[in-house]
Amino acid sequence: GNSVTQMEGPVTLSEEAFLTINCTYTATGYPSLFWYVQYPGEGLQLLLKATKADDKGSNKGFEATYRKETTSFHLEKGSVQVSDSAVYFCALSPYNNNDMRFGAGTRLTVKP
Amino acid sequence: GAGVSQSPSNKVTEKGKDVELRCDPISGHTALYWYRQSLGQGLEFLIYFQGNSAPDKSGLPSDRFSAERTGGSVSTLTIQRTQQEDSAVYLCASSLVVGRNTEAFFGQGTRLTVV
Repeated sequence: GNSVTQMEGPVTLSEEAFLTINCTYTATGYPSLFWYVQYPGEGLQLLLKATKADDKGSNKGFEATYRKETTSFHLEKGSVQVSDSAVYFCALSPYNNNDMRFGAGTRLTVKP
Repeated sequence: GAGVSQSPSNKVTEKGKDVELRCDPISGHTALYWYRQSLGQGLEFLIYFQGNSAPDKSGLPSDRFSAERTGGSVSTLTIQRTQQEDSAVYLCASSLVVGRNTEAFFGQGTRLTVV
């Protein structure tokens, strides 16, 4: 079946550090891939997405590239801020329906 | 409304009681999802409705859980004979089926506490 695996947290970084959160997926065909973010006390919201191989999604300084050959969609940011502290979820939507599946989430804490 | 609305926002119930959680999706969204988020855990898929198709119930953890979606809009998640391990935040999301650019919009969730 379709599934997403992302690196376990929690991840703690200092401000301005480089961030990578790994995400790999299993799916038939070419799914769409997403990163969602859940800030403290708030609901989940879409951060970025990519719908085909080699696409790069980007938003708020975050980037992720859809890698078909490695079935990955790693999230990166060159310089994190305290305000980036949140839980990040990788997700996929299969090519033939919209049955979204999420990874377990990775909690990021950025310290000043 | 402008977003996905869930009610109640908080629910405390006694073990063994039944509870109903409600989700009002964004108008026009044909896909609706229920997830469960336990403390310190990720999102656990429960059930997925898409238009008039039979729902994907593969994530429901036991036969105490059921969900329905009336008229293709409002959905109710029912938990019968609640147990303490049912305590979690129950999240609802909806999306507009537009091919590969589907974005799911989430409600604020219902925090269920079984005492």
